[in-house]
Amino acid sequence: DAGVTQSPTHLIKTRGQQVTLRCSPKSGHDTVSWYQQALGQGPQFIFQYYEEEERQRGNFPDRFSGHQFPNYSSELNVNALLLGDSALYLCASSYRVSRIDIQYFGAGTRLSVL
Amino acid sequence: DAKTTQPPSMDCAEGRAANLPCNHSTISGNEYVYWYRQIHSQGPQYIIHGLKNNETNEMASLIITEDRKSSTLILPHATLRDTAVYYCIVRVDISNFGNEKLTFGTGTRLTIIP
Repeated sequence: DAGVTQSPTHLIKTRGQQVTLRCSPKSGHDTVSWYQQALGQGPQFIFQYYEEEERQRGNFPDRFSGHQFPNYSSELNVNALLLGDSALYLCASSYRVSRIDIQYFGAGTRLSVL
Repeated sequence: DAKTTQPPSMDCAEGRAANLPCNHSTISGNEYVYWYRQIHSQGPQYIIHGLKNNETNEMASLIITEDRKSSTLILPHATLRDTAVYYCIVRVDISNFGNEKLTFGTGTRLTIIP
């Protein structure tokens, strides 16, 4: 059973460009959350998708957008990249069972903005 | 979500029990305590969670004080592979949004000494 997979593993972009990151959830999971982790910090919640809709959003600008597909996979898009967007982007998938859901994380995509 | 306080770093000798404390003095009655760890350059890994009773699984034990204001994660026989950043997270079990986001702090950097 494959876990959460993310692609690409590494990415280098320049300021002003746009980027798309991809996530395939763990088998049987229907919810995908995205997190940004700057160097030396804990992950920060960006947003969460369930039933192809954004359900929750953290304190991130509209330059960050996402999508969830019918097969539950998800994309994170960032427009007009800034140097400060350089970070590890983590995807987590989950499925609500018995009022408790455990989020399982992928290995992340490391984005460098030059 | 309630805030948590963890020591920034700890050392533990290989083979000994590692005891990682977490203070969550403002925890609410419907909030669970979750522990995740993050090994260098990987995504966070779920360890264990609990509400008010002590919990044990194949990875660790979680001891929650009777007043629920603090908890301790115990790794019974630490190995070098347990070197990681450990995050204590307090999280509601249900919200209007569905699967609740995880709010990470800066965690405890645990180093296992050979």
